[in-house]
Amino acid sequence: AQKVTQAQTEISVVEKEDVTLDCVYETRDTTYYLFWYKQPPSGELVFLIRRNSFDEQNEISGRYSWNFQKSTSSFNFTITASQVVDSAVYFCALITNSNSGYALNFGKGTSLLVTP
Amino acid sequence: NAGVTQTPKFRVLKTGQSMTLLCAQDMNHEYMYWYRQDPGMGLRLIHYSVGEGTTAKGEVPDGYNVSRLKKQNFLLGLESAAPSQTSVYFCASNIRADTRFYGYTFGSGTRLTVV
Repeated sequence: AQKVTQAQTEISVVEKEDVTLDCVYETRDTTYYLFWYKQPPSGELVFLIRRNSFDEQNEISGRYSWNFQKSTSSFNFTITASQVVDSAVYFCALITNSNSGYALNFGKGTSLLVTP
Repeated sequence: NAGVTQTPKFRVLKTGQSMTLLCAQDMNHEYMYWYRQDPGMGLRLIHYSVGEGTTAKGEVPDGYNVSRLKKQNFLLGLESAAPSQTSVYFCASNIRADTRFYGYTFGSGTRLTVV
């Protein structure tokens, strides 16, 4: 069975602080993909990143960075110098060959509030 | 514009009423999905389809039916709406992936309230 755990339900930070959103996954498959999505207050889902299980390189995109560690089954997301516009719900998701119809399996999300 | 279109965007139903949510994609994707999003629960898979004429149950299928008569459309039906079906519904599509999982596209969501 596959499972994604986002233990942090809500996080509140002051603007310009760095913040890390945790994601821990479970799967027995050796081939899998991990995703992060952002859901701003407007409600749409915005794709942020996809990472496959064979690529453990960390990724940086502007103020965003992702740390993938297979040894701890974690795919954490860090926002550097947070801004008010980063306020959103962030979802981590997993897919493997065992997923029904290749459907994304989502964590419950972390709500991030960035205050001025 | 290419993508996934959901209609309607908002709807209020009375308990016991029926309705159909429409999801349309113009990317020729094989796979389509319906999710519901509830506070603190993330997105949970209701039903999915791996191609025209096929449907299958997801994690939370009870109270819903689906149809995929045309490749581009995936319909979600509520035969007798209940307050527990108050939620935000997302449709998504995915190319035929085999061992590659690329190209998920989500609709903008339908906010359904059952009173």
